[in-house]
Amino acid sequence: GNSVTQMEGPVTLSEEAFLTINCTYTATGYPSLFWYVQYPGEGLQLLLKATKADDKGSNKGFEATYRKETTSFHLEKGSVQVSDSAVYFCALSDRGGSNYKLTFGKGTLLTVNP
Amino acid sequence: EPEVTQTPSHQVTQMGQEVILRCVPISNHLYFYWYRQILGQKVEFLVSFYNNEISEKSEIFDDQFSVERPDGSNFTLKIRSTKLEDSAMYFCASRTGGGTDTQYFGPGTRLTVL
Repeated sequence: GNSVTQMEGPVTLSEEAFLTINCTYTATGYPSLFWYVQYPGEGLQLLLKATKADDKGSNKGFEATYRKETTSFHLEKGSVQVSDSAVYFCALSDRGGSNYKLTFGKGTLLTVNP
Repeated sequence: EPEVTQTPSHQVTQMGQEVILRCVPISNHLYFYWYRQILGQKVEFLVSFYNNEISEKSEIFDDQFSVERPDGSNFTLKIRSTKLEDSAMYFCASRTGGGTDTQYFGPGTRLTVL
């Protein structure tokens, strides 16, 4: 079956530090890959996505590149802000059927200190 | 911007009671989902719903669970006889269809079973 493994948290950084959150996946087919973010007290928001190998998703200064050869989709940001403090979830969408259900990683809590 | 809404935000119930969690998906979306997240664990797929019927369900989604789209706007998850282990955050999601695999999530309902 499909699975997603992401870096265990929590991650604590100072403002303007570089962020990497690792994510690797196992999939039977050719999935789409996603990063979702959950700010305190809110729901899951789509941060970025990539649908095929070597695609780079980007949004709000965050980037992730779909690496088929290493089955990875690591999230990066060059300079984090206090407002980036949230839980980040890596996920894949099973496109084998028509349901496109999501398989999530466990989530990584990021805290950015001023 | 259209968004998925969920009510209530927090539901407390006694073991053995029935609960109904409500969701209003984005209006032109055709595919609907429920996920849950037990505290400290992964977000897990429960069920997908399309064209007024369940299209896929996980092994978690046993006979105690049911879903319904009663009126063309609401999408509900019913748990017939709650157990302690049903305590979790329940997320509703929707997507348009037509090969678009991005799902949009609601803010979640926290269910506490005492």
